[in-house]
Amino acid sequence: KQEVTQIPAALSVPEGENLVLNCSFTDSAIYNLQWFRQDPGKGLTSLLLIQSSQREQTSGRLNASLDKSSGRSTLYIAASQPGDSATYLCAVLNLYNFNKFYFGSGTKLNVKP
Amino acid sequence: EAGVTQFPSHSVIEKGQTVTLRCDPISGHDNLYWYRRVMGKEIKFLLHFVKESKQDESGMPNNRFLAERTGGTYSTLKVQPAELEDSGVYFCASSPQGREETQYFGPGTRLLVL
Repeated sequence: KQEVTQIPAALSVPEGENLVLNCSFTDSAIYNLQWFRQDPGKGLTSLLLIQSSQREQTSGRLNASLDKSSGRSTLYIAASQPGDSATYLCAVLNLYNFNKFYFGSGTKLNVKP
Repeated sequence: EAGVTQFPSHSVIEKGQTVTLRCDPISGHDNLYWYRRVMGKEIKFLLHFVKESKQDESGMPNNRFLAERTGGTYSTLKVQPAELEDSGVYFCASSPQGREETQYFGPGTRLLVL
């Protein structure tokens, strides 16, 4: 059974800092891994998707890496801004049953002006 | 293009009552999913429809939960009778045929059972 863990649960940083969010998963037989963002009262927005054969993906100030063998992914946010404040969720799709996401419990990020 | 919509956005009911949540997927999406996040826990899968058929309902917690998708369009999730532990956020997602890995999520319904 796939289990996804995210550390830290909450993070508060001053504007401009670079930061790293961590995600680990127990079953390395994954189809892909996605990082989502959730704003209060809103749905989940996909930020980055990494296929199992890839090592990293970048979008603007965001960079996500994947080490499938060790069951780890990181989301790097460069030059953080107050608008980055949200909950960040890591989710994996398993290789043999990719109709359902397994989510971590999220990291709640607060970027202070 | 309209996204996934869910109604209501919030619902407060008493233990023992019945609540019905509705999800309207993106037009043309054959796949529809329900997830939920209970307090302090991670988002968990409940079930997956392909058109009007239940493809996978392995995450449904018990027989107090009934999901339907009439005509393969919108879906409802009924909780009857509601219990305190059913409180949480219920998310719906949809994806095109053959693209289960690309799920678009709705804003969720926040359910509070008192």
